[in-house]
Amino acid sequence: GESVGLHLPTLSVQEGDNSIINCAYSNSASDYFIWYKQESGKGPQFIIDIRSNMDKRQGQRVTVLLNKTVKHLSLQIAATQPGDSAVYFCADRTSGTYKYIFGTGTRLKVLA
Amino acid sequence: EPEVTQTPSHQVTQMGQEVILRCVPISNHLYFYWYRQILGQKVEFLVSFYNNEISEKSEIFDDQFSVERPDGSNFTLKIRSTKLEDSAMYFCASSGDTTNYGYTFGSGTRLTVV
Repeated sequence: GESVGLHLPTLSVQEGDNSIINCAYSNSASDYFIWYKQESGKGPQFIIDIRSNMDKRQGQRVTVLLNKTVKHLSLQIAATQPGDSAVYFCADRTSGTYKYIFGTGTRLKVLA
Repeated sequence: EPEVTQTPSHQVTQMGQEVILRCVPISNHLYFYWYRQILGQKVEFLVSFYNNEISEKSEIFDDQFSVERPDGSNFTLKIRSTKLEDSAMYFCASSGDTTNYGYTFGSGTRLTVV
């Protein structure tokens, strides 16, 4: 069945280091993936997306990598800052639908 | 930057009562959604709405739930007879068209059923 899951529930990194958050998905029909950031008391905020016909996409300080062979998605945050502390969700969309299946979330803690 | 606005931010209701959660999507968006997030858990899809009808719904979205776009700006989620397990954050989202897959989420309504 469809599922999107995360390997690590909590990730602690030193300020200035790079962070890598991982996500596994099981639906081979997923054609679009998004990483969301959720700060306490707020709704999910779009960070970066990637389509299934790509394997890498870069934004400002963030990079998403997609490995369709092993159904793995990762979010890399360069030079992690205190403001990056949040819960990060990956979400995937099945081709032909508009709903997203969210993973369970990884809490990123940035240590000063 | 355009926002999705949700009201109220916090709603407390007694079990068995009806609640209506309100959302104002981004004005030029055409697709509307409700998600919920039980405390500490993942965000779960409830329903999507397009062209004044439900386009998809999850198994969570049973007969106790309904959605409506009563005018050109509001999008509401009604829970007819709330249960304790309906306590959650409810997020509204909207998106532009089929070429813009990303959503914009609102800040959510925290529903507490007592």
